[in-house]
Formats: sequence, structure tokens, C-alpha cells
Amino acid sequence: DGGITQSPKYLFRKEGQNVTLSCEQNLNHDAMYWYRQDPGQGLRLIYYSQIVNDFQKGDIAEGYSVSREKKESFPLTVTSAQKNPTAFYLCAVGDRVTNTGELFFGEGSRLTVL
Amino acid sequence: KQEVTQIPAALSVPEGENLVLNCSFTDSAIYNLQWFRQDPGKGLTSLLLIQSSQREQTSGRLNASLDKSSGRSTLYIAASQPGDSATYLCAVMDSSYKLIFGSGTRLLVRP
Repeated sequence: DGGITQSPKYLFRKEGQNVTLSCEQNLNHDAMYWYRQDPGQGLRLIYYSQIVNDFQKGDIAEGYSVSREKKESFPLTVTSAQKNPTAFYLCAVGDRVTNTGELFFGEGSRLTVL
Repeated sequence: KQEVTQIPAALSVPEGENLVLNCSFTDSAIYNLQWFRQDPGKGLTSLLLIQSSQREQTSGRLNASLDKSSGRSTLYIAASQPGDSATYLCAVMDSSYKLIFGSGTRLLVRP
């Protein structure tokens, strides 16, 4: 979706290093989400935020951290505590204003741990 | 805990065939159900969204139905084309606005 920018598109990390994935949106939506996708599998929820300065853990939050200081931004940090960080990470933005619940996704960031 | 299952995991059909993808969920207390398309290495594209009070939605050659009481949804693709080849993901949104995904159906439409 043109209103959601994820960066970087590809990222390589050495074991033991923290890395931060960026998600920026100009859709003016309140809700933002981070999902992880492993090969041949569906998406699993890491963290989500319904409003600025508030966020909740999803199903697989261990080893990850987030912040929501601005409405437009929801960065995800993959810490060294995450045992299997190699995956495809997707950011999503949700329409809460009209309450349709529709989610829009970015193009994803592929993280590879060497 | 809500679980979403998609059957079949993979499907290969000749061009022009009509086809149905299935999605089932364990908890009928959903806010909405969404169908997405994902091309290899790409993000998700929203195809259809069905609110919990609705029974179906249509967009072009696509039709999605929802039966909350039985915990089922189907995505019907008419007159399939090679360009329809992709992974199709079903997801349900619960009352806390979390979207829970199935594992997807990988579709190949052969010319």
C-alpha cells in the first residue's frame, strides 16, 4: 500500500545484534500492527498499538520491543533475545475511525541472521 | 483461543476453471473476516472484507461468503486466470481488533 512504508526491505544481522525495523504511515489511522511470517506459514502477531503511547503484546512478543511515540510511526526492535529472528516482517495499519476493521499492509522487511 | 484453518494448502487448476477456497475458524465471536492475496516476497493485498453482520461480499470475479454460526468462509474465484496465481490468506478479526490468520492456500493457475 502506497501509504505504508517499511524499511529496510532487506536486512542482514549478525547473531547478538539488535536491529530496528521501521514502519511509517500517512493514512492517519490509529491502529498499527507488526506480524512475522515464516516460509509457508501464515502471519503471527508480534505487537499491536491501538493509539499513540500505548501498545499490547501479541502471540509471539518475546525477544521483540516496540514504541509508539507518534501516530505515524511504529518501529519494531528485534533484540538478541529473539532465538529465531530470520523471517519476513510485515507492518499493518488499521482503520479505526470508520470502524471497518480493515487492515492495510506494507511491503515487508526480510531479516536474515548470519 | 481463536484458530483459523485453510483448506486446501495448495491447489493447481487449469485456466478458466471456477474454484473455491475454504476457511474455518473456531470462535464465532468475530468482528470481521478478511481475505488477502500475497505474491511471493510481497506484502498482503486486501481482496474482500466481510463484516460480522454480513453474509457475502463480491468484487469482480471474486465472491466471499461468511457463515458465522458454522465458523466457515469460502472464497469463490470465477473463470480463473494465470494472474490469479498467488497465496490466498484468510483472517478473522476478534473483538480486540487483532487479526488472526490462517496458513494460506497456494494457488497455481496453469495456462
